[in-house]
Amino acid sequence: GEDVEQSLFLSVREGDSSVINCTYTDSSSTYLYWYKQEPGAGLQLLTYIFSNMDMKQDQRLTVLLNKKDKHLSLRIADTQTGDSAIYFCAESIHSGGGADGLTFGKGTHLIIQP
Amino acid sequence: DAGITQSPRYKITETGRQVTLMCHQTWSHSYMFWYRQDLGHGLRLIYYSAAADITDKGEVPDGYVVSRSKTENFPLTLESATRSQTSVYFCASRDRAEQYFGPGTRLTVT
Repeated sequence: GEDVEQSLFLSVREGDSSVINCTYTDSSSTYLYWYKQEPGAGLQLLTYIFSNMDMKQDQRLTVLLNKKDKHLSLRIADTQTGDSAIYFCAESIHSGGGADGLTFGKGTHLIIQP
Repeated sequence: DAGITQSPRYKITETGRQVTLMCHQTWSHSYMFWYRQDLGHGLRLIYYSAAADITDKGEVPDGYVVSRSKTENFPLTLESATRSQTSVYFCASRDRAEQYFGPGTRLTVT
């Protein structure tokens, strides 16, 4: 079955870059996603990448995909206190009728040090 | 307002009771989903729907029932709530590749 792995915690200094890593198992996933969750809130879609791409950049966010190693990363440049949250990696599941639900990792807590 | 809403936001119920969690989206997205979020498990897919009157099981469907008579609504029912169903429940809808989540319902079963 599908499985998505992430480290549980990452601590970085304010102003540095944060790199959150993820490995997945389903090589047939069409899309891979990064979501952000702040305490008590829902999930905010940050970005996603199509499986035939290697990289996607969106302002401070850079997503790298190594399909051979099934490795996905999210780099946040110039990390700010507002970036403190849990970040979830997710892969699309091929479900009936094209619904494509998601399989999530357990999330990485990003901790910002002043 | 446009978007995806869930109600109630918080619910406490007793073991054995039936409870229904509501989900409503204003985008007319065809695809809708229910997930539960538990410490140590991340989010897991309960049920999904590709269109009105088309639903199917996800990873953890036992103890849950869904229906989808209208495109915009996707209620989730716990027929006889158990303590193991204490969780935060998220509804989502999808447009092309982008899947958007509601604010969640925190359910406690005592």
